[in-house]
Amino acid sequence: DTEVTQTPKHLVMGMTNKKSLKCEQHMGHRAMYWYKQKAKKPPELMFVYSYEKLSINESVPSRFSPECPNSSLLNLHLHALQPEDSALYLCATKRGGSYNEQFFGPGTRLTVL
Amino acid sequence: AQTVTQSQPEMSVQEAETVTLSCTYDTSESDYYLFWYKQPPSRQMILVIRQEAYKQQNATENRFSVNFQKAAKSFSLKISDSQLGDAAMYFCAYNSLGGKLIFGQGTTLQVKP
Repeated sequence: DTEVTQTPKHLVMGMTNKKSLKCEQHMGHRAMYWYKQKAKKPPELMFVYSYEKLSINESVPSRFSPECPNSSLLNLHLHALQPEDSALYLCATKRGGSYNEQFFGPGTRLTVL
Repeated sequence: AQTVTQSQPEMSVQEAETVTLSCTYDTSESDYYLFWYKQPPSRQMILVIRQEAYKQQNATENRFSVNFQKAAKSFSLKISDSQLGDAAMYFCAYNSLGGKLIFGQGTTLQVKP
């Protein structure tokens, strides 16, 4: 299995809602990432987990809360989002060592009303 | 800090012809990785090709090849025999050992039948 999967594909939520994005990988990769991407822009790094521990938080607002329950799963909990948070949220994984490339999931298209 | 520059926001190519996408980067490090990612309208980010800085030989993957000029800090992508399925946004990316993936602003490639 060489895929990174993300659910849901699309999510529409109000500013008072609580929702979660899920990312799953079965490649045995030990680093996992959350990115936010606006249309026609490059992805912006949000969080990095290494060996299930949060290693990088790019000063992301607290309304985004990441969680890594195990080495295969990465969640992004959303609460009290703003319309400007509407974007494509990408998950990526990396094997580590001399293999430095990141593999991306298909993303979740989030719309905040 | 490392930067990646893609100076061509948009490019177009006729089907079956060859096109070259430009990328320059700035770094003071000697060991790093360079990547080209493709993001079609479906929005999944796909790794096209990777290059290790210590390797002088240019990487190739089927119709995709790079021209890596380390001294000039240039990393261009050549697509031969362009196909309609090559239409996408292409991102050049830099990654130092243990560092973050740094993306260029992207080049949108249009393939004309």
